[in-house]
Amino acid sequence: GENVEQHPSTLSVQEGDSAVIKCTYSDSASNYFPWYKQELGKRPQLIIDIRSNVGEKKDQRIAVTLNKTAKHFSLHITETQPEDSAVYFCAAVGSARQLTFGSGTQLTVLP
Amino acid sequence: NAGVTQTPKFQVLKTGQSMTLQCAQDMNHEYMSWYRQDPGMGLRLIHYSVGAGITDQGEVPNGYNVSRSTTEDFPLRLLSAAPSQTSVYFCASSRRPVAGGPYEQYFGPGTRLTVT
Repeated sequence: GENVEQHPSTLSVQEGDSAVIKCTYSDSASNYFPWYKQELGKRPQLIIDIRSNVGEKKDQRIAVTLNKTAKHFSLHITETQPEDSAVYFCAAVGSARQLTFGSGTQLTVLP
Repeated sequence: NAGVTQTPKFQVLKTGQSMTLQCAQDMNHEYMSWYRQDPGMGLRLIHYSVGAGITDQGEVPNGYNVSRSTTEDFPLRLLSAAPSQTSVYFCASSRRPVAGGPYEQYFGPGTRLTVT
């Protein structure tokens, strides 16, 4: 089955700096890659996603890139703000049509 | 729409007790899933259903049962609770995914379960 690895597990950045979270996947048939944000005590919520026929997607301060050859994808957050502090999960939908999640990254934006 | 609802929010069980975590959605979604979330391990799939009457095992199904008698409801049963089942449980629902298409899962608020 699909295996998704996510790095780093924790990330601290100064407010205004950029943050990058990286994920790799194993199933070459995977074709959809969402990112979820989970604030403390809350449910995960989708923040951005990318399909396998697209290399990059942006939404304001958030962007996701995908390299299908290398089987990795990344989340980029620019001009970070304190409200960006949360746990971020990458995921992949593989041939089983199920979401497989990475282990999460705790992002802390320091004022 | 209420979206995905879960009850209870919190539960404490003794080892060996059984219970059912309830999950309901009002979005007419075909797919429903149960995940458990443990520190440092992300969200792991327990069981899922692609429609009423159809269920299948995920990554960590042992100790759990599910059924899907209606589109709206997808209860998770713990048969004989063990301390290793202490976790936060999330139910999620989505439309049927299409190849390469969006597959947004909508999560419930979670149930925090402690087994002593």
